[in-house]
Amino acid sequence: GAGVSQSPSNKVTEKGKDVELRCDPISGHTALYWYRQSLGQGLEFLIYFQGNSAPDKSGLPSDRFSAERTGGSVSTLTIQRTQQEDSAVYLCASSAGQGVQETQYFGPGTRLLVL
Amino acid sequence: GENVEQHPSTLSVQEGDSAVIKCTYSDSASNYFPWYKQELGKRPQLIIDIRSNVGEKKDQRIAVTLNKTAKHFSLHITETQPEDSAVYFCAASSGTALIFGKGTTLSVSS
Repeated sequence: GAGVSQSPSNKVTEKGKDVELRCDPISGHTALYWYRQSLGQGLEFLIYFQGNSAPDKSGLPSDRFSAERTGGSVSTLTIQRTQQEDSAVYLCASSAGQGVQETQYFGPGTRLLVL
Repeated sequence: GENVEQHPSTLSVQEGDSAVIKCTYSDSASNYFPWYKQELGKRPQLIIDIRSNVGEKKDQRIAVTLNKTAKHFSLHITETQPEDSAVYFCAASSGTALIFGKGTTLSVSS
């Protein structure tokens, strides 16, 4: 079946602009995660959605970052007033069931470059 | 919060040798420890995981060991092959999230 997809694959923007990154999880997966991967770094947790529950936003680095998940499926990560330090690969993952012990399946990522 | 340290950051081995990557974590409440492999330009993929109720798990050439007392866990790859070359990430559960190490770049030369 289809895996996790993300769009765009690459995004170049100017400092100060807003960007929206999209994630389509595996059909039927109730859990959705966003991570940020900076060069030479591990994956940094950003936000977690589980079904219709309130998201866990504890990993968002600033109030410029926000995310939504509509209808329990597609998610959009929005970065407002982008800064150069926001340049990274943004990865989305989904998993079936509840709990962090469910296998997370990652998308290909969106490579964001802020000039 | 949870903190995961991973060593070494780079590891070079000859084909057929074994490779060991070690991680330590800080939160004694962590109970799930997956390992992900990320090939160049590809997405991370789960290769093996271990839960806190076991000390070791093996899957063909890959094994993971867990020492909850010392709060460390390790990935062991035996009989390495060139296709094992990738970045390997360990992670530990923390609430609803996984906290990842910074990764180990494994290079296997033939």
